[in-house]
Amino acid sequence: GAVVSQHPSWVICKSGTSVKIECRSLDFQATTMFWYRQFPKQSLMLMATSNEGSKATYEQGVEKDKFLINHASLTLSTLTVTSAHPEDSSFYICSARAWPPDFWGGEKLFFGSGTQLSVL
Amino acid sequence: EDQVTQSPEALRLQEGESSSLNCSYTVSGLRGLFWYRQDPGKGPEFLFTLYSAGEEKEKERLKATLTKKESFLHITAPKPEDSATYLCAVTSHGLSGGYQKVTFGTGTKLQVIP
Repeated sequence: GAVVSQHPSWVICKSGTSVKIECRSLDFQATTMFWYRQFPKQSLMLMATSNEGSKATYEQGVEKDKFLINHASLTLSTLTVTSAHPEDSSFYICSARAWPPDFWGGEKLFFGSGTQLSVL
Repeated sequence: EDQVTQSPEALRLQEGESSSLNCSYTVSGLRGLFWYRQDPGKGPEFLFTLYSAGEEKEKERLKATLTKKESFLHITAPKPEDSATYLCAVTSHGLSGGYQKVTFGTGTKLQVIP
């Protein structure tokens, strides 16, 4: 299957600092990438959808100025948590839509391994 | 709005004891239903995509089926290494036919005891 590389896998930062998380599709082009947040023992909550070369679409309740998403190329999307606070501590996961679907045997989303953010 | 409900929330099986996980969904124009496996502290691992009622897919001890209202993930003779949280998700056709967001269920945590 396709590989999505996400790093860092774990980051600890002080309150008020900004943290950047990278998500790369290693062996396929990802025209669409998704960013999720997951709390312990809960399912994935979609934060935003990003399409290459355009502005991200944020879900209701997600602050776009706090969670900056950039999808500058077909293989890279970044999520920057600006001025992080303890309540931003969470597990963040990206996923990428494998393109073109016919090559990959249909519609498939591949996920990164996640980033555990701890804000002190 | 798309909705996905998974049951049970947790399932404990003896090794070799077959069972099924349920995923009920409400979506306006199903584009695809996904099954994923997630281990603690890791991203979800893709298992299957189903597109239309009546479709079935298999992979090792797992078999996924789809109806117009729900999907089942059947686990035959499970082993301890099958222990994980299994997530179901749906995506629907957008107004423009484009790719909409993927809506996840809350998952079923499966524990297989030796």
